[in-house]
Amino acid sequence: DAGVTQSPTHLIKTRGQQVTLRCSPISGHKSVSWYQQVLGQGPQFIFQYYEKEERGRGNFPDRFSARQFPNYSSELNVNALLLGDSALYLCASSRGLAGALNTGELFFGEGSRLTVL
Amino acid sequence: ELKVEQNPLFLSMQEGKNYTIYCNYSTTSDRLYWYRQDPGKSLESLFVLLSNGAVKQEGRLMASLDTKARLSTLHITAAVHDLSATYFCAVGKLIFGQGTELSVKP
Repeated sequence: DAGVTQSPTHLIKTRGQQVTLRCSPISGHKSVSWYQQVLGQGPQFIFQYYEKEERGRGNFPDRFSARQFPNYSSELNVNALLLGDSALYLCASSRGLAGALNTGELFFGEGSRLTVL
Repeated sequence: ELKVEQNPLFLSMQEGKNYTIYCNYSTTSDRLYWYRQDPGKSLESLFVLLSNGAVKQEGRLMASLDTKARLSTLHITAAVHDLSATYFCAVGKLIFGQGTELSVKP
């Protein structure tokens, strides 16, 4: 079975540009969560979507937005890129809400590594 | 606000030795997850702990959860080089700790 797939794997942008990252969850998983991981730190929670509705948002500015499609895939958009947005962006899927009993285990994709110059 | 703290943040071990990584969290939760991350790679699920007193073991790693103390431990027995990685715990809606970078040396 296919795991969580993310695209693109690497990308380079300049300050002020916009980026869209894509994620396909494991088949049967209805929830997608997005995390930002800066080098040397733990993943920071950005968004969680479940059944196409936003179910959680971390402490990130409005430049960050996301959505989930009817097929449960998801996109993360970041506008007006800053140097500090350079990071590994991880998508994770779960059968239910992240952390929910028995259905909340997260399975991570390989990530999209964003470099902002 | 849920805070998750791990210690130590860096751990250099000799092969064959035992050690414990600690994960403390600030609000009540009866579920805790441990993940492993190799350099430049994504996160791999190691353990899912779903109740107070839960203990799980896989090879040289054993994880436990004490929800009353808001504490989980990841115990490493007779470390080998292949265990070198960064280990994260995560709680609640999966808020992650800072990670413990483990280096096992011959």
